[in-house]
Amino acid sequence: DTGVSQDPRHKITKRGQNVTFRCDPISEHNRLYWYRQTLGQGPEFLTYFQNEAQLEKSRLLSDRFSAERPKGSFSTLEIQRTEQGDSAMYLCASSLTGQAQNTEAFFGQGTRLTVV
Amino acid sequence: AQSVTQLDSHVSVSEGTPVLLRCNYSSSYSPSLFWYVQHPNKGLQLLLKYTSAATLVKGINGFEAEFKKSETSFHLTKPSAHMSDAAEYFCVVPGTYSSASKIIFGSGTRLSIRP
Repeated sequence: DTGVSQDPRHKITKRGQNVTFRCDPISEHNRLYWYRQTLGQGPEFLTYFQNEAQLEKSRLLSDRFSAERPKGSFSTLEIQRTEQGDSAMYLCASSLTGQAQNTEAFFGQGTRLTVV
Repeated sequence: AQSVTQLDSHVSVSEGTPVLLRCNYSSSYSPSLFWYVQHPNKGLQLLLKYTSAATLVKGINGFEAEFKKSETSFHLTKPSAHMSDAAEYFCVVPGTYSSASKIIFGSGTRLSIRP
């Protein structure tokens, strides 16, 4: 399978614990995005990378959230001291974005986080 | 700044009747625009995309959309709804290299199909 891969697919954690999610984008894609989606809502932007550079972070991304893409390939999203409000689907997407044209973003299946 | 507005949060149609999901955009230049579909418990899938070529764009599963600059619209249509079309649909502005912008999602339209 050469699509965007996210791990784990589901995570149940106790409030106050730290969690880390991983995203493996399509190999040649230079751009990687993280989004959060709660039930009945559209995806909310969290952050994105152009290669290894984190270009933008949403105000939704509190200091408990951190994302990395150290070698411009896979990315991790860590949530420290989880709260019940963090329960959501975390989506990763990647795209090959160049000056010539815009291309579609390919989304992973998401990681569903439940904080109990 | 670019943005998209989906005018209906929920649309319900009978099977076999036409579908219209509305999207208006705001941009200082001619944007690219996409429609994505999300079936329950599934990932987001690209339906179709407009990238300043033909204004009428055909996508998967019989869907199409027409870019109308004069109306700043990019409505999604299908002549005959099928039960399998029931899903959430998102109008999207994709990120661009030159503007270093992120993917911008509309709020979504939930499409229900009545038997």
